[in-house]
Amino acid sequence: DGGITQSPKYLFRKEGQNVTLSCEQNLNHDAMYWYRQDPGQGLRLIYYSQIVNDFQKGDIAEGYSVSREKKESFPLTVTSAQKNPTAFYLCASSKARGNTEAFFGQGTRLTVV
Amino acid sequence: EDQVTQSPEALRLQEGESSSLNCSYTVSGLRGLFWYRQDPGKGPEFLFTLYSAGEEKEKERLKATLTKKESFLHITAPKPEDSATYLCAVQFSGGYNKLIFGAGTRLAVHP
Repeated sequence: DGGITQSPKYLFRKEGQNVTLSCEQNLNHDAMYWYRQDPGQGLRLIYYSQIVNDFQKGDIAEGYSVSREKKESFPLTVTSAQKNPTAFYLCASSKARGNTEAFFGQGTRLTVV
Repeated sequence: EDQVTQSPEALRLQEGESSSLNCSYTVSGLRGLFWYRQDPGKGPEFLFTLYSAGEEKEKERLKATLTKKESFLHITAPKPEDSATYLCAVQFSGGYNKLIFGAGTRLAVHP
């Protein structure tokens, strides 16, 4: 089955730690995205990538980093510089041309302990 | 400023009671408007894409419509399994494939 796989489903981070969230897709999509979801707010874009080895900051990139070494993979690192990292993180992908609806993974819930 | 606003924030319906959810937007050059359904603790599930004013899409009890400034998601004779948060998102010219999301409408359908 084609789709987007995020792991882990739940992640706990201690103060001062960096953590990495995994996102893999087998839809052969060129574009991939990371969103953050907080209660009562819309999804906010952290980073996006249109092609391998290229990515751009979204609206709330501070304290986050990404890489895009393979078409299928777009991992997100939440660094210690992110002061309020507790949130639900969603990865998505879409075609670069034509119908560009985005398809989402099942999310990773990150909690600071 | 590009913005997407959904209303109401929450909606409670009795089973079989039809209603509509609203998504209004202020973006320059709409490229597409998307509706998603999100269940608690899950990722959004794609429902519809609308590209131009006057366009309509249907799927089971759901029907999405689009005007120049807003979209409606009509729910006809809803069932309890339609309970979810419904998200609206827009793409705009110059934003590549970036999606701007509204905060969503939480729908609860009671038997």
